[in-house]
Amino acid sequence: GEDVEQSLFLSVREGDSSVINCTYTDSSSTYLYWYKQEPGAGLQLLTYIFSNMDMKQDQRLTVLLNKKDKHLSLRIADTQTGDSAIYFCAEIPSGTYKYIFGTGTRLKVLA
Amino acid sequence: SQTIHQWPATLVQPVGSPLSLECTVEGTSNPNLYWYRQAAGRGLQLLFYSIGIDQISSEVPQNLSASRPQDRQFILSSKKLLLSDSGFYLCAWSRDRANTEAFFGQGTRLTVV
Repeated sequence: GEDVEQSLFLSVREGDSSVINCTYTDSSSTYLYWYKQEPGAGLQLLTYIFSNMDMKQDQRLTVLLNKKDKHLSLRIADTQTGDSAIYFCAEIPSGTYKYIFGTGTRLKVLA
Repeated sequence: SQTIHQWPATLVQPVGSPLSLECTVEGTSNPNLYWYRQAAGRGLQLLFYSIGIDQISSEVPQNLSASRPQDRQFILSSKKLLLSDSGFYLCAWSRDRANTEAFFGQGTRLTVV
């Protein structure tokens, strides 16, 4: 199957950490991605992780991958109001060019 | 540098009218091209993707069709719109190899009334 699931909403206070979770079903995906969508706009790549890695850190962002459980998470440290957006995880099943996106998690940061 | 243009940004169309959304990519050749639809609470649904001129794959049965008349032009069409076609449509491209970043247009908000 090609289902990528995320919780729909997350609300955090400014300065706290945010953790956005994603589960996927296709274990053949070589890369897994996190995209951010600002209101009324397209998506922009935030970060990605290669499937043979467990963790990747990029400034305030930390990606954790549990390949056994097909679980991906994005942690945003010191969350700011500018981080309010919809976050999508995505995968490309091996042998295809299709980006399969999750349902998206709407992050709301409270001042 | 590469850019992607998608238009119009917003569109209000009556039920039963035709649709044509256009997407063009500049600064690259032989891109993979994609049309997605985003409906509230349903995430991004892949509608069509194309790996070359006249090579288009349809992912879900629907009232829409896609065409790629030129290498860097991707068009989403309908002969007769339904209310259920309302949504936010996103065009995207990626380089002609696996596991690369997808670049998105700014989207078209389509409201069918």
